[in-house]
Amino acid sequence: ETGVTQSPTHLIKTRGQQVTLRCSSQSGHNTVSWYQQALGQGPQFIFQYYREEENGRGNFPPRFSGLQFPNYSSELNVNALELDDSALYLCASSLEVGSRGYEQYFGPGTRLTVT
Amino acid sequence: RKEVEQDPGPFNVPEGATVAFNCTYSNSASQSFFWYRQDCRKEPKLLMSVYSSGNEDGRFTAQLNRASQYISLLIRDSKLSDSATYLCVVSRAGGTSYGKLTFGQGTILTVHP
Repeated sequence: ETGVTQSPTHLIKTRGQQVTLRCSSQSGHNTVSWYQQALGQGPQFIFQYYREEENGRGNFPPRFSGLQFPNYSSELNVNALELDDSALYLCASSLEVGSRGYEQYFGPGTRLTVT
Repeated sequence: RKEVEQDPGPFNVPEGATVAFNCTYSNSASQSFFWYRQDCRKEPKLLMSVYSSGNEDGRFTAQLNRASQYISLLIRDSKLSDSATYLCVVSRAGGTSYGKLTFGQGTILTVHP
């Protein structure tokens, strides 16, 4: 196991609602990245947090936001949910950013269904 | 054009077969390369990093050709437990770049008895 945990495991929300997903990174890892994986597709990068600051963002609208806490755990918040937000949301932690070839380890994901 | 493209698959092979997956990437600034495997409705798990000199881990061999921007994964003596989706992944981690992982669509492998 990677030691990365996510909660909740599954979630059902209604269009227009807001959701918060949580991630605890592997011990000693200071970088957390979030990805969205739609059915049948590879994961898509949402954003990354390094030492509590956003350190890069993918092609997602501002209603996707995040936080990283001093213990390196993280939250992903999505406002004004849309049907297309239904996906598996994955959190990945890693030890260092800026060094060559670092590896990311994924948590089990949160499966979000928007109805 | 997608930044990372993989064989469309699916691959259906008998136990004991050798199977090869190919992947190309478009961003020449990519510096790190990986193969992940993903079981149905589970998270991706790092299978192996891919180094310029090529590397082997048991039945798995990965190759990288930077000039052609091509990555491969060879699985020898396939086992039933190898059945999964294999994801080719590249990253521009390094220097001031952040470590965004860019995934291919994945190739489904089914190993049958």
